[in-house]
Amino acid sequence: SQTIHQWPATLVQPVGSPLSLECTVEGTSNPNLYWYRQAAGRGLQLLFYSVGIGQISSEVPQNLSASRPQDRQFILSSKKLLLSDSGFYLCAWRRREIGGELFFGEGSRLTVL
Amino acid sequence: TQLLEQSPQFLSIQEGENLTVYCNSSSVFSSLQWYRQEPGEGPVLLVTVVTGGEVKKLKRLTFQFGDARKDSSLHITAAQPGDTGLYLCAGARNTDKLIFGTGTRLQVFP
Repeated sequence: SQTIHQWPATLVQPVGSPLSLECTVEGTSNPNLYWYRQAAGRGLQLLFYSVGIGQISSEVPQNLSASRPQDRQFILSSKKLLLSDSGFYLCAWRRREIGGELFFGEGSRLTVL
Repeated sequence: TQLLEQSPQFLSIQEGENLTVYCNSSSVFSSLQWYRQEPGEGPVLLVTVVTGGEVKKLKRLTFQFGDARKDSSLHITAAQPGDTGLYLCAGARNTDKLIFGTGTRLQVFP
């Protein structure tokens, strides 16, 4: 069976500090991978998605970046966090097919102070 | 930029009432999904619709995809407290990019 894990679960970081969130998928190969951010009680904002190693599509041209160094690893980074980066970050994977289900990680709650 | 608008944003009702949530866009989608999310967790898929005009039923939940594949609705009959949660629609134009709606928070009181 397929599983997805992301960490850390909770982060409290000062403004201007770096960020690294990591996500790994097991039990499947060549998945599409996604990073979403969610404000409290609201919808999910697509940040990045990847259809293969080294292939990153950016939806949010701010101070965040993503990398996919291995087929089942997806990393979200920032060199200098802003207050507005606070939120609930969700990694997800899905098969590359019409109507494929998104499977989410446990989420990472980031608070920037 | 959110391309999928949901309405209403909040819904607070009594147990036994019916409700409808709408998901609208000016874009055509190849598929549309509905998810439900509990606090602190990731969304969980309820249904996927891919054909214009398609109607799917899941117990007390009825999902419809608009004929032009630009909108969708979720109707819940005789709502129960267990239906409480954040409902999210999500649309895809291809096999890769999937965007979510603005969300509808439903609270059902016993």
